[in-house]
Amino acid sequence: NAGVTQTPKFRVLKTGQSMTLLCAQDMNHEYMYWYRQDPGMGLRLIHYSVGEGTTAKGEVPDGYNVSRLKKQNFLLGLESAAPSQTSVYFCASSRALAPGGADTQYFGPGTRLTVL
Amino acid sequence: AQSVTQPDIHITVSEGASLELRCNYSYGATPYLFWYVQSPGQGLQLLLKYFSGDTLVQGIKGFEAEFKRSQSSFNLRKPSVHWSDAAEYFCAVGVEGTYKYIFGTGTRLKVLA
Repeated sequence: NAGVTQTPKFRVLKTGQSMTLLCAQDMNHEYMYWYRQDPGMGLRLIHYSVGEGTTAKGEVPDGYNVSRLKKQNFLLGLESAAPSQTSVYFCASSRALAPGGADTQYFGPGTRLTVL
Repeated sequence: AQSVTQPDIHITVSEGASLELRCNYSYGATPYLFWYVQSPGQGLQLLLKYFSGDTLVQGIKGFEAEFKRSQSSFNLRKPSVHWSDAAEYFCAVGVEGTYKYIFGTGTRLKVLA
């Protein structure tokens, strides 16, 4: 049981390049999330998904796109990377709560992205 | 709008001393409350959570937290800190009826030998 995995772990891009970050979870969770973590700012939600084939914008969605074609995978894409997107990216997943809302979020190990 | 405040950016304690990390939230209804720990270069690991019931919650690694509705607080405590507790600690609030958490900006704990 691997939990939440992320690939790659590190990446360096040049401004304008594109890339995709992959998140996979083996806990059969309905909800999945992408966050970015910047010093002094905690975690900020980029996009999230409440089920296969659905996505929604979070707090800081600009410059990112996501897809969830399979329940276990959640992809984060940067179409044209900018230096402001230098950050550590975390994926998380959680199960749904019966009365509504999300249960504990389980986090992946993170991807450290540098955009030059 | 909902918000989570961790007023202490850095805290330094001696090994064996007690610890309290503060967390205040702004939310109308009863929130879902969480504390996570992040070691350097790692992802976030859940320490404990509060949904309802007993307001004193026990977690892993000897941590506990107390929900105080009147103070809108969910402070994390440990009676005796170990050097391995040095890490960054995040408080988070789950918004009922939605799928999102709101995270505080974190408190970095340093432990002196």
